[in-house]
Amino acid sequence: AQKVTQAQTEISVVEKEDVTLDCVYETRDTTYYLFWYKQPPSGELVFLIRRNSFDEQNEISGRYSWNFQKSTSSFNFTITASQVVDSAVYFCALKTSGSARQLTFGSGTQLTVLP
Amino acid sequence: NAGVTQTPKFQVLKTGQSMTLQCAQDMNHEYMSWYRQDPGMGLRLIHYSVGAGITDQGEVPNGYNVSRSTTEDFPLRLLSAAPSQTSVYFCASSPRRAGGLDEQFFGPGTRLTVL
Repeated sequence: AQKVTQAQTEISVVEKEDVTLDCVYETRDTTYYLFWYKQPPSGELVFLIRRNSFDEQNEISGRYSWNFQKSTSSFNFTITASQVVDSAVYFCALKTSGSARQLTFGSGTQLTVLP
Repeated sequence: NAGVTQTPKFQVLKTGQSMTLQCAQDMNHEYMSWYRQDPGMGLRLIHYSVGAGITDQGEVPNGYNVSRSTTEDFPLRLLSAAPSQTSVYFCASSPRRAGGLDEQFFGPGTRLTVL
């Protein structure tokens, strides 16, 4: 069985602060993908990144960066110099080769960036 | 491409009523899924389909039916609505390439309230 844990229910930061959202996953599969989705107040789900289990390189995209560590089963997401528009719920999710048709989601982290 | 579309956007039902949530995609994706989102619980899989004529249960299937007569459409039926089915429902699709481990594309969601 798969499981994704996002222990941080809510985080509040002041604009321009850096913030890291934690994600810990469990799976017995050796082939899997990890995802991050953003859900702004408007409600839609916005895909941010996909990372496969064989690629542990960290990734940076503008102010966003992701740190994938298989040794600790973590796939953390950092926003640098946060902005008010970053306020949203962020979901970490897992797809495994054994259940490739669907995602297992974490419970989400509500990020509020204050001006 | 319109991507994944869902109708209606909002719906209010009385306990015991039935209804169908519509989902369609124009990307020729083999895989389609229905999720429900409840506060503090992330998204949970209701039913999924790996192709026309093939459906299977997810994590929380009770009270819902699905069918997949075409590649494009994947309707979700509530047989006898209950207040516990008050939720936001998301439909998603993904291609079968890469073993189905590509990102899932989500519809905008349907907000359902059962009184």
